[in-house]
Amino acid sequence: AQSVSQHNHHVILSEAASLELGCNYSYGGTVNLFWYVQYPGQHLQLLLKYFSGDPLVKGIKGFEAEFIKSKFSFNLRKPSVQWSDTAEYFCAVFPSGSARQLTFGSGTQLTVLP
Amino acid sequence: DADVTQTPRNRITKTGKRIMLECSQTKGHDRMYWYRQDPGLGLRLIYYSFDVKDINKGEISDGYSVSRQAQAKFSLSLESAIPNQTALYFCATNRAPNEKLFFGSGTQLSVL
Repeated sequence: AQSVSQHNHHVILSEAASLELGCNYSYGGTVNLFWYVQYPGQHLQLLLKYFSGDPLVKGIKGFEAEFIKSKFSFNLRKPSVQWSDTAEYFCAVFPSGSARQLTFGSGTQLTVLP
Repeated sequence: DADVTQTPRNRITKTGKRIMLECSQTKGHDRMYWYRQDPGLGLRLIYYSFDVKDINKGEISDGYSVSRQAQAKFSLSLESAIPNQTALYFCATNRAPNEKLFFGSGTQLSVL
């Protein structure tokens, strides 16, 4: 079965630090990849997505992610975090052309200290 | 107004009680989903529906049932609630399986 791994459960950074959150998946075929964000007390919102083309995708609020097919990875990055980025971040994978559904990772809680 | 509305927002109940969580959407999407969120486990799919006549089990459907009353309404039932069903439940909808999911605000359920 497909799986999505987010190895960092909790990341604590100071404002202006750079961020990279890891996401690895196990599925050999073509995939669509997503990062969702959940701000405290709110529902999940789409941050960015990758379907095809340029493996470096840019999302909202200065976030970007790079798809590295050979590493089965889709890491999320931001050059300089802000206190308002404090949230939980979920990677999700959808295997294209299959009957399977979207699979979420376990999430990474990001705390940005002012 | 929210695109996806869940009721109630919070519910505390006792073991053995029947509980229904409701979800309605104004996006006009055919696909609707129920997820539960547990700390450290992310979101796990309980049930999903592609239209009124199509209901499918997700990865953790045991102990749950659903009803798709209309294109816009998808309810989740716990026939006999147990404490390990304490979780945050989200309803979601999208237009296609690889498209952006629109989530409701969630229902925090506590089973004592």
